Amino acid sequence: AQRVTQPEKLLSVFKGAPVELKCNYSYSGSPELFWYVQYSRQRLQLLLRHISRESIKGFTADLNKGETSFHLKKPFAQEEDSAMYYCALSSGGSQGNLIFGKGTKLSVKP
Amino acid sequence: EAGVAQSPRYKIIEKRQSVAFWCNPISGHATLYWYQQILGQGPKLLIQFQNNGVVDDSQLPKDRFSAERLKGVDSTLKIQPAKLEDSAVYLCASSLVRAAEAFFGQGTRLTVV
Repeated sequence: AQRVTQPEKLLSVFKGAPVELKCNYSYSGSPELFWYVQYSRQRLQLLLRHISRESIKGFTADLNKGETSFHLKKPFAQEEDSAMYYCALSSGGSQGNLIFGKGTKLSVKP
Repeated sequence: EAGVAQSPRYKIIEKRQSVAFWCNPISGHATLYWYQQILGQGPKLLIQFQNNGVVDDSQLPKDRFSAERLKGVDSTLKIQPAKLEDSAVYLCASSLVRAAEAFFGQGTRLTVV
């Protein structure tokens, strides 16, 4: 079965500390993986996708097929990074047909 | 560019009543999605449209949920009759084509009492 697991409901770090939000997936095939972010009172928006291999707002994520993981990392957290983060898996060739994890709430303290 | 518009933002109804949500996607976007997000969970896809045709409705509870996208633009999602467990945020998203990034609306928060 296709599934996305985010083991942490809440992650709290201090400003300037490194951040790693964990994501593991189960998928039979070549997955397309994404990280979505929802800031307070804002809509859900795409942060990054694994095929782009880009860094957005200092965040990076590497697809590890051996460990079936797609962890999100940032070396130095900022207060404005506080938000809800969702890892998602695309199936069927449609980037909007997504299977989401339950999300991790990141809280960056001053 | 204008984003995905949804209305109403909030709705409270009693169980067994009916409710409808409306979505206006980004202009020109052929693909439209409805998601259900229950508190503490990630969004779950209910139905996907390509223009005015249904691509995937495998997770739509068809005994009580229905959706349509007449003329391939706006879409409505209806629940009839509602149950307590339907309390959730209903998100609409659209993308230019199926293989493109999906943009989400603000959602409609439904409370069934």
